[in-house]
Formats: sequence, C-alpha cells, structure tokens
Amino acid sequence: ETGVTQSPTHLIKTRGQQVTLRCSSQSGHNTVSWYQQALGQGPQFIFQYYREEENGRGNFPPRFSGLQFPNYSSELNVNALELDDSALYLCASSLWRDTNSYEQYFGPGTRLTVT
Amino acid sequence: TQLLEQSPQFLSIQEGENLTVYCNSSSVFSSLQWYRQEPGEGPVLLVTVVTGGEVKKLKRLTFQFGDARKDSSLHITAAQPGDTGLYLCAGDESQGNLIFGKGTKLSVKP
Repeated sequence: ETGVTQSPTHLIKTRGQQVTLRCSSQSGHNTVSWYQQALGQGPQFIFQYYREEENGRGNFPPRFSGLQFPNYSSELNVNALELDDSALYLCASSLWRDTNSYEQYFGPGTRLTVT
Repeated sequence: TQLLEQSPQFLSIQEGENLTVYCNSSSVFSSLQWYRQEPGEGPVLLVTVVTGGEVKKLKRLTFQFGDARKDSSLHITAAQPGDTGLYLCAGDESQGNLIFGKGTKLSVKP
C-alpha cells in the first residue's frame, strides 16, 4: 500500500508569482484535503476534493484553487503569492464513508517560502 | 468556525514521567483525532474517537473523548524520548473538514 506523496519537497518563490503543488493520495482513497501550516501553528483547512469536485472550503481567498484528477491525485494552485503564504502545505487523503468519522492520512508536506 | 484549544502549549519532562495533554472546545464534534508530528514531516494519525466517553489505548497512550464530545485528553504513561514531538488534536467539523488545535510540543529528556 503506497502512502500519500507530495512534490516538490521544498520550493522558493517570489512575491506575485504563481505556484502549483502536487499530491498523490494513498491507494484506495477517494478524497483529498489540503491544509496550510504556518510555523508554530496547527494545520488550517484550505479545501477538500471528492470525485473531482470541491467538497468544502476553509477561510482562504479565491487565489487558492485546486484540482482533483480521475486517479484521485490532486493539485493546489496559489496565484499572486504573498509573503504570508510561506508555510508547510499538507495534503491528506481519506476514504469517504457514510459514517460519522473518517480518517485522514497526511503526506510529508511541501515547504513553500515566499521572498 | 469552531475552535480547539490545546494545553499545555509546551511540556518538557524527564523520561519515565507521566503527562496529560488536553483539547477543549465549546462546540460538539462528530469525531476527534489525535496526531503526532515531527519537524519537517506531516502529522501521523494516532487515534480517532467517535463516541462520547470513549477511551482508547495505544500502548502507553490513553485517549479519552468527553461525554459531551466537546473535549478530549491524551495521557502518556512512563514517557520515553521517542515520544518527543508535536501532538495535535483535530475535530471533525463537518463533511470531514478537520479543525486543528495549535498543538502541544512535548520534549522528553533521557
């Protein structure tokens, strides 16, 4: 069973640029969620994708967008980068079940630095 | 937006000591998860609690979900240096959107 993978590991961008981060979900999982973790903070929910559609969004502006592909892998795109976007970006995959809980499994993250 | 508060924020103890980390909210969650995160890595799921009053054990770790499903605790018995890390609690707000606390940074000294 393959775990969640993310690429790239580290990235340095300049303010105003655009960035694309990638995530491959764990085998058998159909849902992908993205989180932003600033230094010293817990992860903050950005959005979730299920069956290639956005299935919930946190308090992030529209310049944060995403995609999910038929193989359940996903991309996070951030336009017009700002210094405050510097953070660890985490992808988590899960299997959507019709129950009150489901478990999310995280990748190692992409460390984005905006200068 | 629901909030989760964790305490303490930092904890430094000697090997062999016991400790308890708390996770509190004024809101009800359908489930609550505990993760451990090491520097530069993603959080690793330790346990999910669903039922009010539920207690789960994972070796020396004991997790409890409050009766009202608003709070949870993590108790570690006889802590070891390998337990060092950031412990995060996360509540399932709706449709699986997790709300995380800021975490408890635990350091266990040999």
